[in-house]
Order: sequence, then structure tokens, then C-alpha cells
Amino acid sequence: KQEVTQIPAALSVPEGENLVLNCSFTDSAIYNLQWFRQDPGKGLTSLLLIQSSQREQTSGRLNASLDKSSGRSTLYIAASQPGDSATYLCAVKNSGYALNFGKGTSLLVTP
Amino acid sequence: GAVVSQHPSWVICKSGTSVKIECRSLDFQATTMFWYRQFPKQSLMLMATSNEGSKATYEQGVEKDKFLINHASLTLSTLTVTSAHPEDSSFYICSAERRAGTEAFFGQGTRLTVV
Repeated sequence: KQEVTQIPAALSVPEGENLVLNCSFTDSAIYNLQWFRQDPGKGLTSLLLIQSSQREQTSGRLNASLDKSSGRSTLYIAASQPGDSATYLCAVKNSGYALNFGKGTSLLVTP
Repeated sequence: GAVVSQHPSWVICKSGTSVKIECRSLDFQATTMFWYRQFPKQSLMLMATSNEGSKATYEQGVEKDKFLINHASLTLSTLTVTSAHPEDSSFYICSAERRAGTEAFFGQGTRLTVV
């Protein structure tokens, strides 16, 4: 059974800092990996999707990398802003199945 | 990106009553939709896979007679929580994909409170 772990569980940084969120998974035979953002009491917003054949994806200030062989992904957020405060979820899909989610990293960016 | 609409966004019901939650893919057809549940401070846990025109596949520990799933069309799946109890209070959220294995899009979620 796929296990997804996210470190750290919580993170507080001052505005402007670059930061890295980590995600690891136990079964490297994945189909794709997706990073989401969840605001309190809200649904999920898809940030980046990385297919198993890809190494990274970028969108604006966000960059996600994937090392399938070692079972790791990182989400890099550049020049963080208070509006980035949210919970970030990493989810892994094995072929034909639903997403397996980590518990998330709760990010607080202070002005 | 694609749009998945979930309704209602929140509902309060009395213990023993049933609640229906709808999940619609607005601009694409989805043969498969997924239902998740999220308890406070926890991550999303898959409840069941909803397949258009056939029975849903439930995860271990999820009561199929309590959580009824119907996927009657390629754009609509419904989750009915029957005889709801306070322990069913949770955040329920659905997702859909244009094609299997592609990007998953999520609804806004439904906050269910059973009193």
C-alpha cells in the first residue's frame, strides 16, 4: 500500500523567503504526482502535476521536482508571500487508482 | 483547468436523517469519480471509486450501505450518507479526471455536521 509522508508538518517563515516542502512515497511505481493547496475549510486547488516520466514542473514562483527512484518530490516556493499561507498537500497516483495523500504541510508566511 | 462542482458546500442535519451530496464535472465527461473524506487536521482518505453505469468500489472499512454512491451519468456522481450520526460529521470531497491517470480536479467540498 502506498504511503505518502510530508515533512515538515508545519512551517512558519517571514515574507520573502524561499522555502522547500518535502514529500516522500514508498512505492516508486507511480503514474503521476500532484501538489495541491488547501485553504482552511476549502477544497483543493491543483498546483502542479508531474508525470512519472518527468523530473520537474514549474508554474510561476512554484517548482516541483520528482525523483521517482528514491521516492521523493519537493515543492519549491520562491519569494514567499503572506497569500501563500495554506496547507500544501502532496498526492501520488499509482496506475488505475485514486490519489494517495500525505498529511500536508501547514505553511504560514508572516508579513 | 477543468471544473468540478460540488453541492452543497455545507449542510447541517439531524441524527438519523440522510444527506445527499452531488458532484458534477461541468466541462468534461468523467467515467470515474472519487469520493474522499477528511477529518480535522487529517489528510484526505479515499472512501470509494464511483464508476459510471456500474457499482462503486469501496475502500476497506467504508460501509457501502451507509454511504450510497450513484454515478448515473458521465457528469454526475452522488454520495448519500444514510442514517447520519455525529461521527459522520466530516469534510467530504469529490474528484474527477478527464481521462484515467491525468490531472485530478476537485470539487469545493461539503462540510457535513450531524447534530
